[in-house]
This record gives sequence, C-alpha cells and structure tokens, in this order.
Amino acid sequence: DAKTTQPTSMDCAEGRAANLPCNHSTISGNEYVYWYRQIHSQGPQYIIHGLKNNETNEMASLIITEDRKSSTLILPHATLRDTAVYYCIVRGGSSNTGKLIFGQGTTLQVKP
Amino acid sequence: NAGVTQTPKFQVLKTGQSMTLQCAQDMNHEYMSWYRQDPGMGLRLIHYSVGAGITDQGEVPNGYNVSRSTTEDFPLRLLSAAPSQTSVYFCASSTSGFHQPQHFGDGTRLSIL
Repeated sequence: DAKTTQPTSMDCAEGRAANLPCNHSTISGNEYVYWYRQIHSQGPQYIIHGLKNNETNEMASLIITEDRKSSTLILPHATLRDTAVYYCIVRGGSSNTGKLIFGQGTTLQVKP
Repeated sequence: NAGVTQTPKFQVLKTGQSMTLQCAQDMNHEYMSWYRQDPGMGLRLIHYSVGAGITDQGEVPNGYNVSRSTTEDFPLRLLSAAPSQTSVYFCASSTSGFHQPQHFGDGTRLSIL
C-alpha cells in the first residue's frame, strides 16, 4: 500500500470550509484513497473514500487530482465537533482484507 | 444493534500477568482487526482475521495472540504483559466487500506496571 504524507496540524474557523491535503505520490492504479477521523481518542470513524473521481457524501467531499498523486478532504462548514485527527490512507483495490495502515494524520483544530 | 463492543474499557496489569481483551460485533462482519495506539501516534495493526478460523499478523504482532472461533468474537491475548504493551487497543470490523468502511470500538485503555 502507498505511503501518505499529511501536514501535522491545521486550524480552521468555525463555519468555514476545512481543506485537508494529502500527498500519495506513489499511489498505484488500483489503490483507493480513504479518510478516517478520530475524535478525542475515540475509535476512528470512516468519512469517505474514492479512486479517481471526486466523491461527496453527507460528511465531506473528496477531491483527487487527475494524476492521483494528491487529494483534499473538504469539510464544507466546519463545526467545533469536527476538531479531530484526520487520517488519509491509501489501500489496494484488490485487497480482500479489512486492514488499514494509519499514518500520523492531521490534527484539525476548529476555532470559534 | 450494538456495533463493535470492547471489554474492558480500562485495565491495569502487572508485568508478567496474562490477559484477554474481548471484542464482539453483532453486524455479521467477516473481517475483524486489532490495532494499538500509543500517545501521539497513529494506529498500528496487530492482527487481523478475514473470517472464522483464519487469522494473520499485522505490523506489530509480537507479544499478542489471537483466535477467531466464531464470526462475532475476536479476542486478543497478552500471554505475559510487558510495560511496552501499555497502550490503547482498538478493535474494528467490516464486511467482506471491497471498500467497505471499518467500524471501530471505543477502545480498551491498558496500563502495565
């Protein structure tokens, strides 16, 4: 599975969009990009995943560059409850196991 | 529907003691995994299972044993606890389909003195 690089920390004003970048320059063609978050030492929570097309769900949007070497998770209207560590994970599309490889993640602090 | 249930939530052990961390899920998920999380770090995979009777090692398996006799349960055993195993342990499960999200329990906070 490809390695990912994320900024250690970011701040965002409440009500504004939070844009969290992730670099995965060694991603291969069948690998997907996943995002999870962990709020205050709770168990991680799935947010979204995608292959090459932009994806949107009720929680967030995922923008993947055309060369697939980087992506951005967008929380459109951040709230204080979105303060968490966000993990970008790349996993093989052919993998039939549930295992995930977590990096250090980005600590997002949403400020009033 | 309880999801993924981990017990106990907290535990203190002495070096050399043995213990089993319990994990149960009621979603009929085939895949289950154990992770540990040390302060300021991301989660690291210990062991995982793709179905009853099948287990495999993750990144940091040493000092831990697992078994999967039923779909619902995936216990993690520490045979002889060491201070280096002080950590927060998370169990997760998912269905077998590609790209199914993993569901995590609330964790077990384990301290070994």
